[in-house]
Amino acid sequence: DSGVTQTPKHLITATGQRVTLRCSPRSGDLSVYWYQQSLDQGLQFLIQYYNGEERAKGNILERFSAQQFPDLHSELNLSSLELGDSALYFCASSATPYNEQFFGPGTRLTVL
Amino acid sequence: AQTVTQSQPEMSVQEAETVTLSCTYDTSESDYYLFWYKQPPSRQMILVIRQEAYKQQNATENRFSVNFQKAAKSFSLKISDSQLGDAAMYFCASERGSQGNLIFGKGTKLSVKP
Repeated sequence: DSGVTQTPKHLITATGQRVTLRCSPRSGDLSVYWYQQSLDQGLQFLIQYYNGEERAKGNILERFSAQQFPDLHSELNLSSLELGDSALYFCASSATPYNEQFFGPGTRLTVL
Repeated sequence: AQTVTQSQPEMSVQEAETVTLSCTYDTSESDYYLFWYKQPPSRQMILVIRQEAYKQQNATENRFSVNFQKAAKSFSLKISDSQLGDAAMYFCASERGSQGNLIFGKGTKLSVKP
């Protein structure tokens, strides 16, 4: 158990819908990262937050957005879902941007 | 842009034998970190080993060790005394020292034969 929690574990929804994935970092960690793992794209970095502020952006679509709240938990919002958004979404946390990252168990999103 | 390449999509090793997984990377950063992550069928991402680029000494963690060749931009993982529980996908990753996000390779699927 890495100490990073993600909810829900599984999510099945339809095209065009909007979903929210939630992540609670390890106690004391200020940095949160979101990654997407799909069969065709592999593991890709989406976005990073540090102590509530966006710090880096990767290959995140405009339909996707995220935020980190004052209690340091983070949410990833995916809207206007397409079949290609089906993937495993990981959240990771670290004490600072320069420390090793610990991954949560992931949220499996299936878009039908 | 940073890239990480794993040229072996699949590898196989006999239980108790040694296997080496290859990884090359490309970066213009002077300060960076390299990692190997293991992803078993449960899909959990587990950190296996970490190497800081400014350290010349190769990192080791029990049966896992790396061969870090900075000039060649090579970062291979050696697993000694392979166990059935080592069967998994292994991902090589680099981290930009200035940002912190990870760039992953495509992965190598390791099978361990009893």
